[in-house]
Amino acid sequence: GEDVEQSLFLSVREGDSSVINCTYTDSSSTYLYWYKQEPGAGLQLLTYIFSNMDMKQDQRLTVLLNKKDKHLSLRIADTQTGDSAIYFCAEKHNFNKFYFGSGTKLNVKP
Amino acid sequence: GAVVSQHPSWVICKSGTSVKIECRSLDFQATTMFWYRQFPKQSLMLMATSNEGSKATYEQGVEKDKFLINHASLTLSTLTVTSAHPEDSSFYICSASGTSGSRSSTDTQYFGPGTRLTVL
Repeated sequence: GEDVEQSLFLSVREGDSSVINCTYTDSSSTYLYWYKQEPGAGLQLLTYIFSNMDMKQDQRLTVLLNKKDKHLSLRIADTQTGDSAIYFCAEKHNFNKFYFGSGTKLNVKP
Repeated sequence: GAVVSQHPSWVICKSGTSVKIECRSLDFQATTMFWYRQFPKQSLMLMATSNEGSKATYEQGVEKDKFLINHASLTLSTLTVTSAHPEDSSFYICSASGTSGSRSSTDTQYFGPGTRLTVL
């Protein structure tokens, strides 16, 4: 399956935590990724997690992986206005092909 | 490290003309490059995968004669949109994976900044 699903919008206040969710379909995916896209720009790799891990933390970012439910989440602690962007999850398939979710637009209110 | 550039960043052309977009890996050898298309407020759609020195593999529904891809070196891939029409207007993004010295980046794709194509 190539359907990677995300909720379309998330709005939080500055200083709060943001949690962006993603459901993927291929249980054999070895790596799962989170990318950030600012308006008119390309994708910036934020973090990734190997499929044999449950959690990965990198500064303000925490990735949780539930392989049984094929659920991936990205938590941003102390969300700042500069975090406003579209966040894409992606799963890696054979031949290094990536399939992306629809993207979640994060709006951070001051 | 792992910087990918695209040129041009935006281009406007007349219907019927061809447009070439370049994708370069600046500090690593990109054994594989990918071309995506992104419509406004939508996700990225993989168009094709190109390996250095071989023909590109196109995704289903992508016309290979319309979107010509060349990956002649380990640092450069080009996408040529031939006989462009207004419906080809889109944001085209490339990505690359490969190796940089002793560091392997084959499991991660690094993205270029994208090229905005507008066909009048």
